[in-house]
Amino acid sequence: SQTIHQWPATLVQPVGSPLSLECTVEGTSNPNLYWYRQAAGRGLQLLFYSVGIGQISSEVPQNLSASRPQDRQFILSSKKLLLSDSGFYLCAWRDTGASGNTIYFGEGSWLTVV
Amino acid sequence: GDSVTQMEGPVTLSEEAFLTINCTYTATGYPSLFWYVQYPGEGLQLLLKATKADDKGSNKGFEATYRKETTSFHLEKGSVQVSDSAVYFCALSDGGGADGLTFGKGTHLIIQP
Repeated sequence: SQTIHQWPATLVQPVGSPLSLECTVEGTSNPNLYWYRQAAGRGLQLLFYSVGIGQISSEVPQNLSASRPQDRQFILSSKKLLLSDSGFYLCAWRDTGASGNTIYFGEGSWLTVV
Repeated sequence: GDSVTQMEGPVTLSEEAFLTINCTYTATGYPSLFWYVQYPGEGLQLLLKATKADDKGSNKGFEATYRKETTSFHLEKGSVQVSDSAVYFCALSDGGGADGLTFGKGTHLIIQP
């Protein structure tokens, strides 16, 4: 069966520090991968998606970037965090096979920028 | 563009009460519709889905029917439990470029014993 993991689960970072959140998917190949953010009191916002290695699309302009160095690995980064980057970040994947129109989420990472 | 509108919370009910959380959508074509649930401090879990008009998704006593004529996908449960307390998100996927999900803002459900 397929599983998705992301880490770290919780982190507190000072303003101006770098960020790296990592996500891996097991049990599938060539998935579509996504990063969402859930800010306090707001819904979920799609930040990035990837349909293959090295292919990244950004949905909103921001202080963050994403990379996909391997088929089942998706990384969210920042060189200098802002206070407004605080939130709950969720990695997700979608099976690109015939039955794949459902998106599955990781456990989430809580980021507090102080 | 696509959008999902769901009732704002918090919604507070007593145990064993009947639950309805309204969800309506705007999309081109024929999207797939989903309900996700988020328990405190956790990620999102798929609760149920429907991929075409008149389909009914069901899971754990929850049901939702894809109504194309009213562009709705209301979530219902006949008798809620304290363990159902969570945030519920309605979402759609229209198979577009990102083929990601468009979410509603979420409804916080609180069930009191």
